[in-house]
Formats: sequence, structure tokens, C-alpha cells
Amino acid sequence: DAGVIQSPRHEVTEMGQEVTLRCKPISGHNSLFWYRQTMMRGLELLIYFNNNVPIDDSGMPEDRFSAKMPNASFSTLKIQPSEPRDSAVYFCASSSGGQPQHFGDGTRLSIL
Amino acid sequence: SQKIEQNSEALNIQEGKTATLTCNYTNYSPAYLQWYRQDPGRGPVFLLLIRENEKEKRKERLKVTFDTTLKQSLFHITASQPADSATYLCALEKGGSYIPTFGRGTSLIVHP
Repeated sequence: DAGVIQSPRHEVTEMGQEVTLRCKPISGHNSLFWYRQTMMRGLELLIYFNNNVPIDDSGMPEDRFSAKMPNASFSTLKIQPSEPRDSAVYFCASSSGGQPQHFGDGTRLSIL
Repeated sequence: SQKIEQNSEALNIQEGKTATLTCNYTNYSPAYLQWYRQDPGRGPVFLLLIRENEKEKRKERLKVTFDTTLKQSLFHITASQPADSATYLCALEKGGSYIPTFGRGTSLIVHP
């Protein structure tokens, strides 16, 4: 079975550019999570969708960050404009019915 | 908000010994406590879940305990192997939230 698929795996871009991260959850999962992981802060929840609807976005750092889930099989996390402090590994995870989460392998983002 | 403490120092042990990792938390008692394994460059992978009314859970060489009085979970790997070397994250979930809060993880290094 295909797991959670994230793209790109690595992204290097200059400050001020728009960055779009993509996620395809496991088929049949109705919950999707976006996380950010850094050495300093560990794994932080950014936003949680249930049945394609954002339920909790309290972890989104600021208005530069936005996330969408137009259908059950696709989600995006967008940063515009990007800043060096956004450099981190961004993970997407999905789950079903409150079961433990399945994570993708992340996007390593570097903002120069 | 919930605070989760995992030892930030790496745990170094010899192959064949039992590794014991600690997860301490403050504030509310979680309904569920989960342990994940994370390898470099990969997303976390779910290992075990224990509920607040369970004292202990086992899966092959893994054992998790949950002491709600001490507000602590212990994660044991018996007969450890170099392949067990990874970072282990604990995650706490409040009942009904479906949103776990992750600790920062402890690195385990098993020496042959």
C-alpha cells in the first residue's frame, strides 16, 4: 500500500519566494495533519483537517502560512513570502477514526 | 498547555541490553499515549499505543508502561540490536481531540 506521499522531498529557495508543499494522504483516511519539525522546537502541529475541513489551525505561525485541502486525496501548505526562519522539515500525516497517524517522509525546506 | 519531557541526551547502550526511554508530562492526563520511531530523513512511524486505564502494553521486544500518578511512561526495548538505533518520540492525546502532542524525542544508539 502506498503511504503518505509528500513532494518535493527537498526545496531550496530564496527569501521572499512563494513555497508550496504537497501531500497525498492514504486513501480512506479522513484526517490530515501538517507538522513542522526543527531541532529547537521538535514536531509542532500547524493545522489539522477532518473530512477536508480545517478544524484546528492554531499552530499556523502567521498569515504568511496557508493550507488547503480541496479534496480527500490532496492538500497543500503554502508559505508566501518565505523567510529564512521558515527553514525546517515539514511533515504531512493522515489517519482514520482517531487511529495513530501515518507520516510522510517530509519536505526539507531551506530558505536562503 | 501540555508539556512533554523526553531526555534530550542520547542513550547509548550495548547490543543485547534493555533500553529504557522516559516520557514525562505535566498538566492533564492524556487519554492515550503513543510511541513513535523516527529514522534520519524519514517521518515518524507508529509503534505502540497505551490507554490511560492500561498499565502495560507489549509488542514483540517492545514494552510500554503508563503511570498516571507519576505522569510518566516508560518505553523498553529488550535484547536491543544496532537496528533499533533511532529517535523515539512519545505523543500524548487528550480524549476526543484526535490531535496528539509530541515530545522532542530521545535518540537511542545501540552499539554492537
